[in-house]
Amino acid sequence: DIQMTQSPFTLSASVGDRVTITCRASQTVGDWLAWYQQRPGKVPKLLIYKTSNLQIGVPARFSGSGYGTEFTLTISSLQPDDFATYYCQQYNEYYTFGQGTKLEIK
Amino acid sequence: EVQLVESGGGVVQPGGSLRLSCAASGFTFSNYWMHWVRQAPGEGLVWVSRISSDGTNTMYADSVKGRFTMSRDNAKNTLYLQMNSLRVEDTAVYYCARYGSAFDYWGLGTLITVSS
Repeated sequence: DIQMTQSPFTLSASVGDRVTITCRASQTVGDWLAWYQQRPGKVPKLLIYKTSNLQIGVPARFSGSGYGTEFTLTISSLQPDDFATYYCQQYNEYYTFGQGTKLEIK
Repeated sequence: EVQLVESGGGVVQPGGSLRLSCAASGFTFSNYWMHWVRQAPGEGLVWVSRISSDGTNTMYADSVKGRFTMSRDNAKNTLYLQMNSLRVEDTAVYYCARYGSAFDYWGLGTLITVSS
């Protein structure tokens, strides 16, 4: 089974900061990597699919990159709505989520 | 507007059964593969199962294989998850999700509590 490991587990940042979350796969997943945002008590929301493709309606301050086993999600300038938990997911072989990264207000 | 609405959740004793439903609207249901994903209280997302658009191909996480059965009725635009031999560790919110560009639409979820 492919394991997905995100870092950091938690991230404290301020409005306006640029932040990066990393996701590593235990074996290559090609570019079959998605990112989701989940606000407290809410449903997960797809942000990015196939590593770097922004889902319709997602602000351009979100971007994704990587290939194979190492991927990043970058938020260029944090907004108040961005404080949430972020999950990566591989869908190359079965489907596996990372454990999540909680983005907190500093 | 795409909508996915789960139902069927509740409290059940260990060893019991439940059937979840997910009613789809706002898109051509029969064109899409569908998934169930669960989230235990305070925990992360865990993929549970998948079904092909025509219902002939299913796949399950090892943790539920042999106990859960996913099916669909394309005439009724409805997805199902039959859950048997439930365990305490199956306690979670269960979401249905559409596979478009990844899991692009999710339902609000339905809570299953397995407890004696």
